[in-house]
This record gives sequence, structure tokens and C-alpha cells, in this order.
Amino acid sequence: NAGVMQNPRHLVRRRGQEARLRCSPMKGHSHVYWYRQLPEEGLKFMVYLQKENIIDESGMPKERFSAEFPKEGPSILRIQQVVRGDSAAYFCASSQQLDRGYGYTFGSGTRLTVV
Amino acid sequence: GESVGLHLPTLSVQEGDNSIINCAYSNSASDYFIWYKQESGKGPQFIIDIRSNMDKRQGQRVTVLLNKTVKHLSLQIAATQPGDSAVYFCAERARIQGAQKLVFGQGTRLTINP
Repeated sequence: NAGVMQNPRHLVRRRGQEARLRCSPMKGHSHVYWYRQLPEEGLKFMVYLQKENIIDESGMPKERFSAEFPKEGPSILRIQQVVRGDSAAYFCASSQQLDRGYGYTFGSGTRLTVV
Repeated sequence: GESVGLHLPTLSVQEGDNSIINCAYSNSASDYFIWYKQESGKGPQFIIDIRSNMDKRQGQRVTVLLNKTVKHLSLQIAATQPGDSAVYFCAERARIQGAQKLVFGQGTRLTINP
């Protein structure tokens, strides 16, 4: 039973390019959360999705950032026109139905570097 | 001791000693708490969790204590080993600006002295 899979592990983009980060949740998990982590800091919530629905995007910047979790395939975090300040580690976590499952499992992250 | 600003608080312990990592959480309505361990270059790894209707839970070499009165959580690691070196985060499940989600604390870096 594979864990949460994120790819790519490392991503380098020039300023102004687009970054696409992918996350495949654990089998049986229907809830996906994206977090951002700057060096020497904690994880900051960005967005919470279920299949085909954005449940809570209160932590996501209003511009340039978007997320989706389609019926088929992985969840995608998309950053348009990247800037140096977007450089960070982006982690995805998945969980089962909230009322029953309490475990949140994290992937290994994607480290985005904007040059 | 602790520091403020951009640097993580650091706890240094001797190998074989017990470690206690503390965390203050923010939301009195939080119903579930998790401790995560994060090693350099890796994602957070689940260590132990506790629900708000409990005040203590034990795992293998780890114990979590929850004090809801003062909104305080602690992680005790017995007989600390070199492999325990990492950054430790507490997380609370809280409803803040929308749906319930995990909200992470600042983190504490644990270093082991041989």
C-alpha cells in the first residue's frame, strides 16, 4: 500500500514560468491537503480538497495559485508566473473521511526553486 | 533555550536521556492533536496522536500529554537515540477560516549529544 506520492521531488523554474505539483493520495483516502514550508519554519495550510471540490482555500494566495483534485488522477497545485518568494517545500497530506479516520499522512514533498 | 524570530527553538539532550518537547496550541475547540517528526529533506512523519477526551497516550518510547486547561501539549521521548534527531511539530485539528484542518506549531529541533 503505497503512501502519499508527490512528484516531482525537486522542481526548478525561472521567474515567470508555471509550476505544477502533483499529489496522489493514499489508497482509500478522499481528502487532500496542501501545505507550504519555508526553511526553518512550520507547515502553513494552503488548501483542502475532496474529489472535484475545493473545500477550503483560505490559506492559498488569491492570485497565481490554484488547486484541483479531479475525479480521476492526482491532485494538482498550480503556480502561475512564479516569483522567487514561491521557493519553498510544498507538502501534500491525505486522510480518510474526517468523521471516521483521524490519520493524516504526508508525502515527501516537492521542493520548488525559482531562479 | 528558546529563540524567537526565524530560527527554530532547539533542544539538546544527551544520548540515553529522556526528551520533553513542549507545544502551546491556539484553539480551545481543537479535538485532535498529532506529533510529527520531520527529518532533513523529508516530509512529516506521524509519531503519535491524542484526542481531546484523553490527557495521556503512550506509544513505543513516546508519550503525549495533553493539558486542555492551559492548551498545552508535550511529547516525551524515552532513552533518546541518535535517530531521534529531527524537527518535531505538534499539530491541532481546528476549524479556522473554513473547514477543519491541521494547524501546525512552530516546531522544535531536537539534537542528540553523544
